[in-house]
Amino acid sequence: KQEVTQIPAALSVPEGENLVLNCSFTDSAIYNLQWFRQDPGKGLTSLLLIQSSQREQTSGRLNASLDKSSGRSTLYIAASQPGDSATYLCAASLEGSGGSNYKLTFGKGTLLTVNP
Amino acid sequence: KAGVTQTPRYLIKTRGQQVTLSCSPISGHRSVSWYQQTPGQGLQFLFEYFSETQRNKGNFPGRFSGRQFSNSRSEMNVSTLELGDSALYLCASSLATGWTYGYTFGSGTRLTVV
Repeated sequence: KQEVTQIPAALSVPEGENLVLNCSFTDSAIYNLQWFRQDPGKGLTSLLLIQSSQREQTSGRLNASLDKSSGRSTLYIAASQPGDSATYLCAASLEGSGGSNYKLTFGKGTLLTVNP
Repeated sequence: KAGVTQTPRYLIKTRGQQVTLSCSPISGHRSVSWYQQTPGQGLQFLFEYFSETQRNKGNFPGRFSGRQFSNSRSEMNVSTLELGDSALYLCASSLATGWTYGYTFGSGTRLTVV
């Protein structure tokens, strides 16, 4: 059974700081890993999708890496801004046949606060 | 391009009632998944449909059911509501198989059971 853990649960940083959010998963047979952002009371916004064959993906100030062998992914946010304040969630889908690869297993998220 | 549309946005129901939530995926997307989000349990997978067939189901009681129509729109139904069913219900769509294309989520339906 896949378990996804995100550390830290909450993070508060001053504006302009570079930061790293961590995600670990127990089953290395993942097919892809997706990072999402969730604002209070809202749905999920997809940030980055990393296929299992990839090592990293970049979008603007965001960079996500994936290391299947160690069961880890990181989301790097450069030059953080108050508008980046949100909960960040990582989710993994499993490799293989059958129903297991038709769902995402989510971590509990990291609540990020960027202070002006 | 329109995103994933969930209706209604908010619902208040009484214990014992039933409720139906609707999800319209992005045009051309054939896979629709449903998730429940609560403060205690986080996001949990309910079920996934592709071409009107349920391909996977999470660990939820039989009171939770769903279906998908030929136009890929999906509905989920919860019967005999319990207080613990209060949650944000999120729908996600994917072009085909989610692991290749990733998932796009809707804004959710906030269900409150009183």
